[in-house]
Amino acid sequence: EVQLVQSGAEVKKPGESLKISCKGSGYSFSNNWIGWVRQMPGKGLEWMGVIYPGDSDTRYSPSFQGQVTISADKSINTAYLQWSSLRASDTAMYYCARQSFHMDYWGRGTLVTVSS
Amino acid sequence: DIQMTQSPSSMSASVGDRVTITCRASQGISDYLAWYQQKPGKVPNLLIYGASILQSGVPSRFSGSGSGTDFTLTISSLQPEDVATYYCQKYNSALWTFGQGTKVEIK
Repeated sequence: EVQLVQSGAEVKKPGESLKISCKGSGYSFSNNWIGWVRQMPGKGLEWMGVIYPGDSDTRYSPSFQGQVTISADKSINTAYLQWSSLRASDTAMYYCARQSFHMDYWGRGTLVTVSS
Repeated sequence: DIQMTQSPSSMSASVGDRVTITCRASQGISDYLAWYQQKPGKVPNLLIYGASILQSGVPSRFSGSGSGTDFTLTISSLQPEDVATYYCQKYNSALWTFGQGTKVEIK
């Protein structure tokens, strides 16, 4: 069974750094893209970027380029999304999903709250 | 970048009604179009990919059509459990973009 298990909810202050994770199982993690999606409170889905764990090839949405970093460690089947300096506007639910031309398996999401 | 325009933004229909949601791309994207359903408080769920291919386990009342710039998601007979927000998503040139979403409610 394909599963993507995301790390737990986070509460951070503006300016702090954060790295959230997404661990895949039940399929060949290295040979499938993993994408990240943001959903701000009460808003729609926004595609952020994608990584191919096999060679760490990474693509970003222009809206998120330079704002976040996507990485992966294929040895432990885990992808990451990180911020160096959080803002209140980063408050959102973040989903990872297995991605090809579409996103077929999704994690349950990581809620990130940034508040002073 | 290619923009996706989804319409309507919200709608209300009766149980048993036929519901149609459209998604228009600003440039041709062949059939690289997927549809997702997100029920309130839940994780998005893939319904349709390749514009018209039904994902395994998705009820047959859902169907997709279109190619190029104009795409349609149809629910042939709306059920109470279909209350959700529906999103299209396009792929081209290693970029993926979601539409703005269509909220479907029951009258």
